[in-house]
Order: sequence, then C-alpha cells, then structure tokens
Amino acid sequence: KAGVTQTPRYLIKTRGQQVTLSCSPISGHRSVSWYQQTPGQGLQFLFEYFSETQRNKGNFPGRFSGRQFSNSRSEMNVSTLELGDSALYLCASSPPGENTEAFFGQGTRLTVV
Amino acid sequence: QKEVEQNSGPLSVPEGAIASLNCTYSDRGSQSFFWYRQYSGKSPELIMSIYSNGDKEDGRFTAQLNKASQYVSLLIRDSQPSDSATYLCAVNKGFSGGYNKLIFGAGTRLAVHP
Repeated sequence: KAGVTQTPRYLIKTRGQQVTLSCSPISGHRSVSWYQQTPGQGLQFLFEYFSETQRNKGNFPGRFSGRQFSNSRSEMNVSTLELGDSALYLCASSPPGENTEAFFGQGTRLTVV
Repeated sequence: QKEVEQNSGPLSVPEGAIASLNCTYSDRGSQSFFWYRQYSGKSPELIMSIYSNGDKEDGRFTAQLNKASQYVSLLIRDSQPSDSATYLCAVNKGFSGGYNKLIFGAGTRLAVHP
C-alpha cells in the first residue's frame, strides 16, 4: 500500500508570494491533517479535513488555508509569504475510526527568502 | 504549562541498554497517545500507539500509559545505534466523532553509542 505522498519536496519562494502544497493520503484514508514543523516551535497542528470539510483548525493566521477534494487529496495554501513561514510542512492521513493513528508523508521543505 | 511535555535530552545510552523516554500531558480528556521517531531531515514515523492504561509491547518497544498521572512512557530494549533519533510524544485531542488533532511534545533526542 502506498504511503502518504507530498509534492513538491522542496520549494524556495520570495516574501509576498503564495504557495500551494499537495498531499495524497493513503488509500482508504479520508482524514487529512497538516502540520508545520520549525526548530523553534516544533510540530504544530494547522488543520484537518474529512470528506471535504475542515473539522479542526489550529492557531495560525488566515493566510494559511486548505481544502480537500472528493478523492481525499488535499492542498494547503499559504498567501503573502513571510520569512517565518520557512518550515517543514507535513501532511498526515488517518484511517477510519475515532482517535486513530496519523501517518505522515515525507514533507515539503519551504524556504522563504 | 505546555500541553505535552518531554525532556529535550539528549538522552545518551550505551548499545544494548534500555532507553526510557517520558512524556506528560495536561488535558485529562485526551484519549489516544502515540510515539513517533524522527530521524534528522526526515518525517515522523509512527512506532507505537496506546489507548488504555497499562503496557503495550511491540518487539523491542514498550509503551506505558497512566491516565491518572497523565503520563506516557516509551521503553526501548536492547538499544541499537540505529535507534538514535528524536522521539516525539503525541496526544490526540480529538473530539468524540473521530476528529484528529495531534498535540506534540518538543521531542527527546536519543543517542545510542557503541
């Protein structure tokens, strides 16, 4: 079974630009979550989608948004990039059921210059 | 107080020893608990999940949960140099209905030396 796939793996963007990251979950997983990892703040929850609906949202500004498609694939978008948005962005998918495990993709390393 | 707390380490153990990693959490309503291993430059890899009080063993790994003390631990027996990584404790703050929102500790760096 294929794992969680994230594209692209690496991105370099300029301040003020916007970026879109993509995530394909494990087959059969309908819950997709996004996390930001930085050396200073560690792993922080961004949002979770299930059946194309955002169910949970973390404490991030509105510049961070996401969506989920009918095939469970998900995208996250960051607008008006700031230097502090440089981070590893991780997508995780979870199997059906309550409070189940989350399996992470390889991540997208975003550098804002 | 952070929601999930871990000692940052590094925890240094000799090869073949038992490594003991600890984690405390603040929300008594938390329902599921996970340990992830993260090698430098890689994404977190799930190694253990535990949902009820007591011990759960999987190979060289044992997870222990004590909800009354709000404490989760991970024991790694017969530690190997390949176990050297950062170990992340995660707590699911999901609501009933199956929501998934993991809160992570800062991670404990483990170094196993030959």
